[in-house]
Amino acid sequence: ETGVTQSPTHLIKTRGQQVTLRCSSQSGHNTVSWYQQALGQGPQFIFQYYREEENGRGNFPPRFSGLQFPNYSSELNVNALELDDSALYLCASSLTATGGHHGYTFGSGTRLTVV
Amino acid sequence: AQTVTQSQPEMSVQEAETVTLSCTYDTSESNYYLFWYKQPPSRQMILVIRQEAYKQQNATENRFSVNFQKAAKSFSLKISDSQLGDTAMYFCAASNSNSGYALNFGKGTSLLVTP
Repeated sequence: ETGVTQSPTHLIKTRGQQVTLRCSSQSGHNTVSWYQQALGQGPQFIFQYYREEENGRGNFPPRFSGLQFPNYSSELNVNALELDDSALYLCASSLTATGGHHGYTFGSGTRLTVV
Repeated sequence: AQTVTQSQPEMSVQEAETVTLSCTYDTSESNYYLFWYKQPPSRQMILVIRQEAYKQQNATENRFSVNFQKAAKSFSLKISDSQLGDTAMYFCAASNSNSGYALNFGKGTSLLVTP
């Protein structure tokens, strides 16, 4: 098992720019979720992919989009960055679509700062 | 909608002592899962313990145990024989089928274990 790895670890972007964050899920995990964690808050669910299809979305605008690839990697894309998008972005993978039996395995996140 | 509330922003405990972190939740679902995650300064969310709502028996993982009171919608975490390495943010989370099993987190409790 290699766990969940995210890149980059830190990123600074300018308001209005676009950003792509990457995640490599744990081997065999066919479900990946992305979360946004603002400073001092709990993570907020952005969306989830199961077998390369989006199968759940939180209260985030369409400028937050994602992709999941057959090799268990995934991307989070954010267009037209706003200052409030500054946060820690966490990727989590699960062996099952429910995540309930084994829980979710999280990466260490990407700290995005929008200036 | 499912909400999770952690009413203790900060807690402190001496090494080797026992501490209990509180969590309440609100859900209309009959089938759901509850989790406690630990987030140390390394930022990675680590699963501490999980509970399936249909199981009456409280989950236990070594020094960590929960007190699951389904009727009261309460899910507290007890840490026995606290160790310095337990210092971290602790998040309570819930998931259910209606939300695609996405995790819904509380705001967290910062736990400090002192020598």
